[in-house]
Amino acid sequence: AQSVTQLDSQVPVFEEAPVELRCNYSSSVSVYLFWYVQYPNQGLQLLLKYLSGSTLVKGINGFEAEFNKSQTSFHLRKPSVHISDTAEYFCAVLRVNFNKFYFGSGTKLNVKP
Amino acid sequence: NAGVTQTPKFRILKIGQSMTLQCTQDMNHNYMYWYRQDPGMGLKLIYYSVGAGITDKGEVPNGYNVSRSTTEDFPLRLELAAPSQTSVYFCASSLGTGGGNEQFFGPGTRLTVL
Repeated sequence: AQSVTQLDSQVPVFEEAPVELRCNYSSSVSVYLFWYVQYPNQGLQLLLKYLSGSTLVKGINGFEAEFNKSQTSFHLRKPSVHISDTAEYFCAVLRVNFNKFYFGSGTKLNVKP
Repeated sequence: NAGVTQTPKFRILKIGQSMTLQCTQDMNHNYMYWYRQDPGMGLKLIYYSVGAGITDKGEVPNGYNVSRSTTEDFPLRLELAAPSQTSVYFCASSLGTGGGNEQFFGPGTRLTVL
């Protein structure tokens, strides 16, 4: 069975500090990887996705993520966070040639002034 | 282009009542999905559809029903509401999973069953 693990349920960080949100997945087959952001009382929005090619993927709002096949990880990073980045972040996996997405349990990023 | 729209935004039901959560997309996407989101649990797939007339169960289908008579609409039906169905429900759509197309989400319906 597919699983996606986001080990950190909450990450507090001060404004302008760097942040990394961790995501690990289990799959023996090829996958596509996604990061979504959810602002309070809203639906999910796509931040970035990895399909193939370069393992470093850049997304919106200055976020980037690195695909590591050997460690089955897809960690999300931002070098300097803003108050407006306060939100919940979800990692998702889509197995190639399958119809279902699998989501992690989410990480709440709390940026403090 | 409204994207994915959901109605209602909020609803309170009594135990045993029924209701339909509406979902419409205007992007001509074949794939549509229903998820529920419980605190700290991420998103759980309830049902999905790969085209009009085709639906399939996800991880947590019990207590729910769906239909897909058109490409645009994918309503979710709760027949006998139970407190365990208190959750936020999200509808999503996608061009299809080939090539890694992402999902587009609606704003959600917050349902409370008392």
